[in-house]
Amino acid sequence: DAKTTQPNSMESNEEEPVHLPCNHSTISGTDYIHWYRQLPSQGPEYVIHGLTSNVNNRMASLAIAEDRKSSTLILHRATLRDAAVYYCILLKQAGTALIFGKGTTLSVSS
Amino acid sequence: DTGVSQDPRHKITKRGQNVTFRCDPISEHNRLYWYRQTLGQGPEFLTYFQNEAQLEKSRLLSDRFSAERPKGSFSTLEIQRTEQGDSAMYLCASSYRQGGTDTQYFGPGTRLTVL
Repeated sequence: DAKTTQPNSMESNEEEPVHLPCNHSTISGTDYIHWYRQLPSQGPEYVIHGLTSNVNNRMASLAIAEDRKSSTLILHRATLRDAAVYYCILLKQAGTALIFGKGTTLSVSS
Repeated sequence: DTGVSQDPRHKITKRGQNVTFRCDPISEHNRLYWYRQTLGQGPEFLTYFQNEAQLEKSRLLSDRFSAERPKGSFSTLEIQRTEQGDSAMYLCASSYRQGGTDTQYFGPGTRLTVL
């Protein structure tokens, strides 16, 4: 299975944009890039996913490199409620189980 | 819009006892997953159902663990003869296929403590 690499931690200030990177150099053509986040004491929460093109939704944007070997989750204006562990996960088109790594712990300061 | 619910939210038991957890998925979702999460780690996949059929089981799912999803609705996860190493958060998720891939929605989890 293709693996992802994320920084262990990142810090941000409230109301500033946050760019969370993810490297996935062994990604295959049928792998979707998924992002989930987990707030303290809660179950993981779906954020966004994409295949080749950049994606936007109400929570975030996903920028995918042209060679698909990396991607960036963009939170446009961080709030204190965005402090969480962010997981970048590759899921094959017919895939089922999510394979979570350690993710990036995002801290947001006021 | 009701999300995934899990019951109980917390369970404390003594070693050797049996425990059962319940998961109610989002009603129109036909896929249901169980994961386990220990402190400081990401969730680990245990098993997956499509409707009532259990289609995948992780090697983590020892023979003391059994999961069911009768009639393709709610699911139960039973752990027999609990051990201290079973202490963890047990997470349930349900999904539907969106744009060629699964989007999973997680419940709040059941935290198990084995004394």
